[in-house]
Amino acid sequence: VVMTQSPLSLPVTLGLPASISCRSSRSLEHSDGNTYLNWFQQRPGQSPRRLIYELSNRDSGVPDRFSGSGSGTDFTLKISRVEAEDIGVYYCMQGTHWPRTFGQGTKVEIK
Amino acid sequence: EVQLVESGGGLVQPGGSLRLSCAASGFTFSRFWMSWVRQAPGKGLEWVGNINEDGSRRDYVDSVEGRFTISRDNAKRSLFLQMNSLRGEDTAVYYCARDGSTASMDVWGQGTTVTVSS
Repeated sequence: VVMTQSPLSLPVTLGLPASISCRSSRSLEHSDGNTYLNWFQQRPGQSPRRLIYELSNRDSGVPDRFSGSGSGTDFTLKISRVEAEDIGVYYCMQGTHWPRTFGQGTKVEIK
Repeated sequence: EVQLVESGGGLVQPGGSLRLSCAASGFTFSRFWMSWVRQAPGKGLEWVGNINEDGSRRDYVDSVEGRFTISRDNAKRSLFLQMNSLRGEDTAVYYCARDGSTASMDVWGQGTTVTVSS
């Protein structure tokens, strides 16, 4: 399954919202009813960190300004108010179909 | 604290072998699937493969099938990645990660760097 993110570069303004799109080449709705779409954040020089799992569930410790949504083949990660610590690269990843595949990444930087 | 610490990276010639290790702590290692994920320099993430709780099932991405082997030692709370017939395109940071119950990786190590070059 090919995961396509847009944009690949996202200049943002602190305090304003931002969103990243992710599209899959096949529906990510599993036969068990779940949608195994995840979002990861990778800050400069750090390991990836999972933010969102199963489409819209925030991991422990993830600020509530991050939210995930979508269905089928179209998904979105939204940041309600960007903070300086949010700069980095964001990846979507699907776990519905084998093998797990990532999007190319979206680099979020401050304008 | 839940922690994963990789080791074993380094410089290896094309066609050579390397074994990576990942030491787990802070959780019941034997109850979780574990994954390896890699990231080539300046590139995105690629899932390499994973192993189930008791080591009886392993899955690999096509690009490493037959060359890489994932194994584990639950008594030592350790995960391994044996890499053979290494190629330049295997150059990457290799991350060990814990698989949650959601077909995803919820805890990541700091990574270990593998460079394949003559």
